[in-house]
Order: sequence, then structure tokens, then C-alpha cells
Amino acid sequence: DAGVTQSPTHLIKTRGQQVTLRCSPKSGHDTVSWYQQALGQGPQFIFQYYEEEERQRGNFPDRFSGHQFPNYSSELNVNALLLGDSALYLCASSLVNTEAFFGQGTRLTVV
Amino acid sequence: GNSVTQMEGPVTLSEEAFLTINCTYTATGYPSLFWYVQYPGEGLQLLLKATKADDKGSNKGFEATYRKETTSFHLEKGSVQVSDSAVYFCALSTNSNSGYALNFGKGTSLLVTP
Repeated sequence: DAGVTQSPTHLIKTRGQQVTLRCSPKSGHDTVSWYQQALGQGPQFIFQYYEEEERQRGNFPDRFSGHQFPNYSSELNVNALLLGDSALYLCASSLVNTEAFFGQGTRLTVV
Repeated sequence: GNSVTQMEGPVTLSEEAFLTINCTYTATGYPSLFWYVQYPGEGLQLLLKATKADDKGSNKGFEATYRKETTSFHLEKGSVQVSDSAVYFCALSTNSNSGYALNFGKGTSLLVTP
């Protein structure tokens, strides 16, 4: 049983560009959450998707958007990249009322 | 708002020493509490959890008790191993209908030396 898989594992982008990160949830999971983990910090909740809709959102600007597909996979999009967006982006999947399983993350570097 | 405060690291211990990592929280409602572990170069793994006051979570020799009166969820292990070297995150969730959207502490780095 594959766990949560994220792609790509590493990415380098230039300020002002746009980026799309992808996540496939653990088999049987229908809820996907995204977190941003800056170096030396704990993960910060970005948003959560369930039934292809954004259900909760953390304190992130509208430059951060997402999507969930009918097969429950998800994308995180970030527009107009800033240097401060450099971080490890973690995807977590779950069923409602169960604990989250995390992927290994995508390391985004903005130069 | 909700927040988690962990003791600052790094924590360096000799193998077989006793470990305590302090965690306190502020939350509205009745949170569920978690400890996650992050090994170098990897994502987060759930270590243990507790969903109500006085519950004790345990796994792999680690324990933590949900103390509502002191708003704490301290992580303990009686005898650490080199393989326990990792970063440990305390976290809470207050909305069980949302699939556990988590608030994390800043993490505590643990290094265990032979």
C-alpha cells in the first residue's frame, strides 16, 4: 500500500514565477491538507480539501491556491513567488476524524 | 487562537538516558493532542496521540499524558537510543470534523550519542 506521495521532491524557481506541487493521498483517504514548513520551524497549515472543495484555510494569502481531483489527488499552486516562499511543502491525507499521514514533502527554493 | 509551545532544542542525551520534551498548549474547545517525529530528510510520522483529558498516548517506548489542568502534553521515554535522534513536534487539533487540521509547535531537535 503506497503512502502519501508528492512530486517533485525538489524544485528551484525564480521570484515572480508560478509553481504547482502535486500530491497523491494514501489509498482510501479522501481528505488532503497542505502545510508549509520553513527551515527550523514547525509546519503551518495552508488549507484542506475534501470532496473537491476547500474546507478550511490557514493564514496564507490568495497567492496560494489548490485543487482536488475526483480521484482525491491534489495540487498546490503558488503564484508570484517570493523568496520567503522557500520551504518544505508537506501534503497530508486522512479520512474525516482520523489522523493525518504525511508525505515526504517537496523542497521549494525560490531564487 | 490555538498555539503550541515546545521546549527549545537542541537536546543532547547519552544513550539510555531519560527523555522529557515539554509541550504546553492554548486552545479553544477540547483539542486532540499529538506528537509527530521527523527523521532527517523525511516527512512527519505520527508517534502518539491523545484525544481527551487524562488519556495517555504511547508508542515505541514513548509516552505522553493529556493534562487539561496544566494544558500540557509532555513527551517522555525511559531509555533513549541513537535511532531516536530526530526532530519532535507537538501538535493539536480542535476540529475533529475536519480531518485534523493541525497546529504545530516549532519542534525540538533530539540528538542521542552512543
